[in-house]
Amino acid sequence: DAKTTQPPSMDCAEGRAANLPCNHSTISGNEYVYWYRQIHSQGPQYIIHGLKNNETNEMASLIITEDRKSSTLILPHATLRDTAVYYCIVRPYGGTMRFGAGTRLTVKP
Amino acid sequence: DAMVIQNPRYQVTQFGKPVTLSCSQTLNHNVMYWYQQKSSQAPKLLFHYYDKDFNNEADTPDNFQSRRPNTSFCFLDIRSPGLGDAAMYLCATSRDGYLAGDPYNEQFFGPGTRLTVL
Repeated sequence: DAKTTQPPSMDCAEGRAANLPCNHSTISGNEYVYWYRQIHSQGPQYIIHGLKNNETNEMASLIITEDRKSSTLILPHATLRDTAVYYCIVRPYGGTMRFGAGTRLTVKP
Repeated sequence: DAMVIQNPRYQVTQFGKPVTLSCSQTLNHNVMYWYQQKSSQAPKLLFHYYDKDFNNEADTPDNFQSRRPNTSFCFLDIRSPGLGDAAMYLCATSRDGYLAGDPYNEQFFGPGTRLTVL
């Protein structure tokens, strides 16, 4: 499985966009990029996933570089409730999810 | 609301005393997963069921077992808990685990059971 690298922590001002990077330089052609987040003392929550095209939903946008070696999760208007650990996961076709260390995002007033 | 339920939320057991954690789902999903999450670490997959087919991760200790008597319920049995097994145990479900890009492949997590071993 492709390994992901994320910064251990980031801060963001409330109301501003939060841009969370992820490197997955060994990703293969049939592997998808998934993002989950885990708010303190809760189970992880699905955010978004993509293969090669940029994706957007009501929670976030996912930007995947053309070579697919990195991606960025964008929370357009971060709120205090977005404070969480964000996990970038590369998931092979037919495979299970393996979480990396994630990025602890702190949204500050 | 359809959901993943874990009981109890907090479980205390004694060293070496068998313990069972339970998970139920109202989503009618085919796949159920068990993860272990130790303090300040990422969730680690222990095993999963695709319908009745059990799939163990290679590095899951034999001390951990699982049962899935029907679609709705899945149990995690720890036969002889050690101090190192203290963790949050997360149950998750997905409709179909083998279509990675299928939106139905999203995993839904329960709130977890925090296990303390004395």
